[in-house]
Amino acid sequence: AQSVAQPEDQVNVAEGNPLTVKCTYSVSGNPYLFWYVQYPNRGLQFLLKYITGDNLVKGSYGFEAEFNKSQTSFHLKKPSALVSDSALYFCAVRVNAGNNRKLIWGLGTSLAVNP
Amino acid sequence: GAVVSQHPSRVICKSGTSVKIECRSLDFQATTMFWYRQFPKQSLMLMATSNEGSKATYEQGVEKDKFLINHASLTLSTLTVTSAHPEDSSFYICSARRRSGGDYNEQFFGPGTRLTVL
Repeated sequence: AQSVAQPEDQVNVAEGNPLTVKCTYSVSGNPYLFWYVQYPNRGLQFLLKYITGDNLVKGSYGFEAEFNKSQTSFHLKKPSALVSDSALYFCAVRVNAGNNRKLIWGLGTSLAVNP
Repeated sequence: GAVVSQHPSRVICKSGTSVKIECRSLDFQATTMFWYRQFPKQSLMLMATSNEGSKATYEQGVEKDKFLINHASLTLSTLTVTSAHPEDSSFYICSARRRSGGDYNEQFFGPGTRLTVL
């Protein structure tokens, strides 16, 4: 079955420290991978995506993600965390479903950056 | 660009009434819109995929007669929760995919609608 896993419900990191939010996937074929962020009581915002090309993808707000095919992972990273990065982060993978394409979502990881 | 709006942002209704939620792509045409439901501290659950001019495709376990979806134009899709009950209380989010673009069109999300059924 095609799936996305975010093994950590919550990640805590001190401001200024590097952060990593983990994501692994299981899909057939080449994966199209996405990261979204959700701030409290707001919709999701696109951060970055991997389709093809360089394994290291740079996105919004200083975030980046590394695609690792052998480990089937797409971890989100940032060299120096900000308190304002505290939010809910979702990893997703695009799959084909009949005539439609849809996203399969991870359960989300709550990131808390402490001052 | 690529802004999606939802209206209303918050609605409180009595049990048994119907509620309509609108999802609009403000500055682009969307051939496909998605409706999600999100429970507190949980992931998004895809309810249905809506293509302009055709019937929506519902995910397994979602009652199509209860959650009516209409996608009448390239910029508007509506979700109507019919005969709402307290268990329908949730955060409903729509997203839209551009009509044109690459094969990996990202989804643009609305801000969500908080439905509370008393």
